[in-house]
Amino acid sequence: AQSVAQPEDQVNVAEGNPLTVKCTYSVSGNPYLFWYVQYPNRGLQFLLKYITGDNLVKGSYGFEAEFNKSQTSFHLKKPSALVSDSALYFCAVRDSTSGTYKYIFGTGTRLKVLA
Amino acid sequence: DTAVSQTPKYLVTQMGNDKSIKCEQNLGHDTMYWYKQDSKKFLKIMFSYNNKELIINETVPNRFSPKSPDKAHLNLHINSLELGDSAVYFCASSPSGYNEQFFGPGTRLTVL
Repeated sequence: AQSVAQPEDQVNVAEGNPLTVKCTYSVSGNPYLFWYVQYPNRGLQFLLKYITGDNLVKGSYGFEAEFNKSQTSFHLKKPSALVSDSALYFCAVRDSTSGTYKYIFGTGTRLKVLA
Repeated sequence: DTAVSQTPKYLVTQMGNDKSIKCEQNLGHDTMYWYKQDSKKFLKIMFSYNNKELIINETVPNRFSPKSPDKAHLNLHINSLELGDSAVYFCASSPSGYNEQFFGPGTRLTVL
């Protein structure tokens, strides 16, 4: 069975500092991994994905994520946080061996960037 | 133009009523989804359709019935609404099974 964990309910970081939002996963086959952001009263917006290829993936708004197969992790990072990055972030995974298009979402991490 | 739209945006109703939420996507995607986001912001998949065929049907009470009249539409009908159905329901679509999903703005359902 596939699963994904976001161990931190909330991450606080000062504006201008680097940020990391953690995600670990468990799948039977190869993982398809995604990060989404949700602003208040809005739907989720896609940030970036890892399907195959380079372990470092770059996405929207200056975010990037590193796929680490040995640690089964896909942490979201940004070199310099902005106050406007404050939002709820979701990691999602789909197992490549799954016959259905089922994505499992993490429980979300609230990022708060302090001015 | 809005890529994935949902109507209504807000829905307030009494226990026991029947209601529907509509979703439309103009992206030409093959796959559509319904998710439920509870008050703790947990997001759980309910249903998925691929080319009008039901492919995911999670452990959801049979009071919930999805319908896909065509590839661009996926509606959700809920019978005999209960207090626990109060949540935000999101529709999403994707071009294929391993691509990112595009989410609608959500429908906030409040059952009184």
